[in-house]
Amino acid sequence: EPEVTQTPSHQVTQMGQEVILRCVPISNHLYFYWYRQILGQKVEFLVSFYNNEISEKSEIFDDQFSVERPDGSNFTLKIRSTKLEDSAMYFCASSELGRLYGYTFGSGTRLTVV
Amino acid sequence: AQKITQTQPGMFVQEKEAVTLDCTYDTSDQSYGLFWYKQPSSGEMIFLIYQGSYDEQNATEGRYSLNFQKARKSANLVISASQLGDSAMYFCAMRDVTGNQFYFGTGTSLTVIP
Repeated sequence: EPEVTQTPSHQVTQMGQEVILRCVPISNHLYFYWYRQILGQKVEFLVSFYNNEISEKSEIFDDQFSVERPDGSNFTLKIRSTKLEDSAMYFCASSELGRLYGYTFGSGTRLTVV
Repeated sequence: AQKITQTQPGMFVQEKEAVTLDCTYDTSDQSYGLFWYKQPSSGEMIFLIYQGSYDEQNATEGRYSLNFQKARKSANLVISASQLGDSAMYFCAMRDVTGNQFYFGTGTSLTVIP
């Protein structure tokens, strides 16, 4: 079964550093997403991406964050100047055109900011 | 605004018994999708079951079924014949007609007792 692949599975970074979380969505999917889950809390929407641009973003997704699809397969989330409160599990997801159907989530990247 | 409510932070069930995890939702949209995801301790999000708002029959996927009561805006997950491997967090989620994001509940932690 096709998978969404996220790398790395765990990233530790120092406060103030920049991190890039990488995702390879399912090849025929057109919509891409990033979500985050702070430990013990619910999953929160960050951003959706379609046709090489952001289609929707949440209040969490401020200037510290950016997304990019640098080539035909990768989808990245960049977090600049990381803060302790950015520590969370970050999930990438992708979906086909059918808007009322589900995503396929990646297995997540656990980001720890120290 | 969309909202998902899961009122059971933790549930216990005896192995081989059935268990119902509650989920209510709030939306003014007529067209939406309801989903359940399982999150084991390893952290990944595993899709379990989907119910469309216009589906007349309750969704079933193996041991999972969704008790959809549209008038009451509830979408409870029923797990039959619980197994030890069912111990995990379970999240109810909704996707609206724009399809750009999921709204997640706070989750229910299920523990299956041998």
